[in-house]
Amino acid sequence: GAVVSQHPSWVICKSGTSVKIECRSLDFQATTMFWYRQFPKQSLMLMATSNEGSKATYEQGVEKDKFLINHASLTLSTLTVTSAHPEDSSFYICSAGGLAEVNTDTQYFGPGTRLTVL
Amino acid sequence: RKEVEQDPGPFNVPEGATVAFNCTYSNSASQSFFWYRQDCRKEPKLLMSVYSSGNEDGRFTAQLNRASQYISLLIRDSKLSDSATYLCVVNGEYGNKLVFGAGTILRVKS
Repeated sequence: GAVVSQHPSWVICKSGTSVKIECRSLDFQATTMFWYRQFPKQSLMLMATSNEGSKATYEQGVEKDKFLINHASLTLSTLTVTSAHPEDSSFYICSAGGLAEVNTDTQYFGPGTRLTVL
Repeated sequence: RKEVEQDPGPFNVPEGATVAFNCTYSNSASQSFFWYRQDCRKEPKLLMSVYSSGNEDGRFTAQLNRASQYISLLIRDSKLSDSATYLCVVNGEYGNKLVFGAGTILRVKS
């Protein structure tokens, strides 16, 4: 149980375009989803926390107008990188947590989306 | 100062060796501690939680020293398949936000 999927697994796009990444909890309802970014040889950095039906909470230094997060249902959260630039190239990972039936500190990670902006 | 600090390694060890990783954290209010494993270009996977009394799961032993804000992971009888990056993770100041260390690279060689 507690499987999280992400789509797409990788994407290459031109500078200036927008990219949408989907994160789905497949066999459970996730009230909270987290979006992380990981640059090569660096740690995962939390970008934002999203709760179903409310606005996402962004970490300091993360532009909310550039990284649009929508968590419209208990099984789907989306991250849209608007007007992507080469410096946005990274590994984007979502996770679901805060499940009532498991330890609230446990997070289940999606397989990640590798974004390359040319 | 980083919230979670780890020696990046790499640790190069032969099969069968015992290897230990250490991690320090800065937030004394942290209550939950974990070791995750991350393979190259993959998502992190939970290896084990770390409890105050220390805990063991097969070949893996985790220890926590709250006074020194220090966490350790010991791997006995290393296997080739243990080669990965090991991430020290603590929960942040609020709720269930996790803070990740940059990871320690382990390479087990035959």
